[in-house]
Amino acid sequence: GAGVSQTPSNKVTEKGKYVELRCDPISGHTALYWYRQSLGQGPEFLIYFQGTGAADDSGLPNDRFFAVRPEGSVSTLKIQRTERGDSAVYLCASSLRPTSTEAFFGQGTRLTVV
Amino acid sequence: GEDVEQSLFLSVREGDSSVINCTYTDSSSTYLYWYKQEPGAGLQLLTYIFSNMDMKQDQRLTVLLNKKDKHLSLRIADTQTGDSAIYFCAEKAGGTSYGKLTFGQGTILTVHP
Repeated sequence: GAGVSQTPSNKVTEKGKYVELRCDPISGHTALYWYRQSLGQGPEFLIYFQGTGAADDSGLPNDRFFAVRPEGSVSTLKIQRTERGDSAVYLCASSLRPTSTEAFFGQGTRLTVV
Repeated sequence: GEDVEQSLFLSVREGDSSVINCTYTDSSSTYLYWYKQEPGAGLQLLTYIFSNMDMKQDQRLTVLLNKKDKHLSLRIADTQTGDSAIYFCAEKAGGTSYGKLTFGQGTILTVHP
């Protein structure tokens, strides 16, 4: 694709529900990153994938958060038992290689937990 | 751990220069970045500088890096109303071979006609 695509662009869910956020990276990009941006803050690192494997998940806040990338392209961020504090914009980025200088960001998914 | 700090607001008149400042703590950072975010949009990479450089110029943008003081600045010459946005400074974590970034809080730049 032309750029990193994230779906949905907006998601409203009730507290306690399960949500899935999808990221389609640029074709051929092996490295994929998820970040979370709370209101008025900069993005915070959540997890990094090299190919299919999560090479660094040190930013996931707790075990309600999980992400997969089963075929090394599309990634899904899964949040169980959502809480109001999970409300944020979730950003995905990809780069051609892990050592690439530039990563390309998607438009983000705005998650609102009510 | 890594920490990146920015001033929160900057207001300038159209045609003036803007200077956005950033400080960071990780002395082993390899790359430092400036990103722009417009309302409802993702992050757009503006420019970056390698840690062994002290200056980089790219059209209207000038990046200055003072590694001793861990201070980074972005100067935008001839600022236009279209430059109004949030600007984020970010550092690539030292000690990693991949692009894990630590971002500042962002500086809201407002350009007045």
